Amino acid sequence: AQTVTQSQPEMSVQEAETVTLSCTYDTSESDYYLFWYKQPPSRQMILVIRQEAYKQQNATENRFSVNFQKAAKSFSLKISDSQLGDAAMYFCAYRSAEGAQKLVFGQGTRLTINP
Amino acid sequence: AAGVIQSPRHLIKEKRETATLKCYPIPRHDTVYWYQQGPGQDPQFLISFYEKMQSDKGSIPDRFSAQQFSDYHSELNMSSLELGDSALYFCASSLPGGSSYNEQFFGPGTRLTVL
Repeated sequence: AQTVTQSQPEMSVQEAETVTLSCTYDTSESDYYLFWYKQPPSRQMILVIRQEAYKQQNATENRFSVNFQKAAKSFSLKISDSQLGDAAMYFCAYRSAEGAQKLVFGQGTRLTINP
Repeated sequence: AAGVIQSPRHLIKEKRETATLKCYPIPRHDTVYWYQQGPGQDPQFLISFYEKMQSDKGSIPDRFSAQQFSDYHSELNMSSLELGDSALYFCASSLPGGSSYNEQFFGPGTRLTVL
């Protein structure tokens, strides 16, 4: 079974600075997807960014980018120019490319933005 | 754009009572997933349906059952409620995945409180 581990329960960053959230995963599959979800106080699950395992190029979405290291099974999220609205719980998630499409989540990292 | 609808948004029940949670997927989405998120925890996959058939099953208690109807909406039935069932229950919908990527769109969740 696949597992996802986020070893940073909490992180904080100054507004306008850059922060990196860590995520590692374990799988025997060669093709899969990885995601970062944001959960603000409203508890809505918001997709931030996704990465296809077969793509070597790291995904980027505006201020959000990932560092995907397939061999190391590492998938970190970098948030540049942090904004107050980025404060939330961030979950790393894994999904198989075929068969079961369920999301497997990490434990989450609570990100605080200091003004 | 239409989103996933969940009802009710909040539900308060007594121990040993039953509860029914409803999920209305985005139009044309025929795949539904249910997740349970306990306080301070990451979402855990419960069960999924594709074309009205159960497609995958996770850590869903035997006291829970679910189904998907002909209009693709889904209901999660919970009986003999326990205090530990208090959680946020998410429904997500997607187009069928197969070997291609299809994003799971999350509903706002139903917050169940068992007293």
